[in-house]
Amino acid sequence: DTGVSQDPRHKITKRGQNVTFRCDPISEHNRLYWYRQTLGQGPEFLTYFQNEAQLEKSRLLSDRFSAERPKGSFSTLEIQRTEQGDSAMYLCASSLDLNSPLHFGNGTRLTVT
Amino acid sequence: QQQVKQSPQSLIVQKGGIPIINCAYENTAFDYFPWYQQFPGKGPALLIAIRPDVSEKKEGRFTISFNKSAKQFSLHIMDSQPGDSATYFCAASYGGATNKLIFGTGTLLAVQP
Repeated sequence: DTGVSQDPRHKITKRGQNVTFRCDPISEHNRLYWYRQTLGQGPEFLTYFQNEAQLEKSRLLSDRFSAERPKGSFSTLEIQRTEQGDSAMYLCASSLDLNSPLHFGNGTRLTVT
Repeated sequence: QQQVKQSPQSLIVQKGGIPIINCAYENTAFDYFPWYQQFPGKGPALLIAIRPDVSEKKEGRFTISFNKSAKQFSLHIMDSQPGDSATYFCAASYGGATNKLIFGTGTLLAVQP
């Protein structure tokens, strides 16, 4: 499968714990995006990278969230001191360039208890 | 002004029917309008997209109708099948880019056999 890969698929954590998600984009896609989707809603943009540079962050991305894309390959999204409101599906997507379609992974579902 | 309003929230049709899902926007700077299909437990997958220089685009059984003056666009699914049962999201972005998509709230479609 050469699509966008996300790991883990599901994560249950207790409030206050830190969690980290990984995304492997489609090879040769230099743009990588993180979106968040809550139940019954459409995905919301969080941040994106062009190669290793993080070019934009949404206001939704609080100081507890940090994303990295070392060497312009895979990306990680870390949430520190998780809160119940962080419970959502975290989607990663990639595209070849600015004008190419987004390809989404199957997401990581986070549940904070 | 950044919102994309989608209706209906849910839709039930018989096999062979033509479900129509509508979206409206306010920001006249939007210039890329995709539709995504999402099955439970999966990420959104691009179905079809349109830019405002055309009023209609067809790909297989899926058609987008675009009304620039009314700032509305819709998805029509011809000869709908039970396998089309999914959640459909409209989205929009500007600057010619396909990355920072603003999604509608989704329409849950059920196609009955």
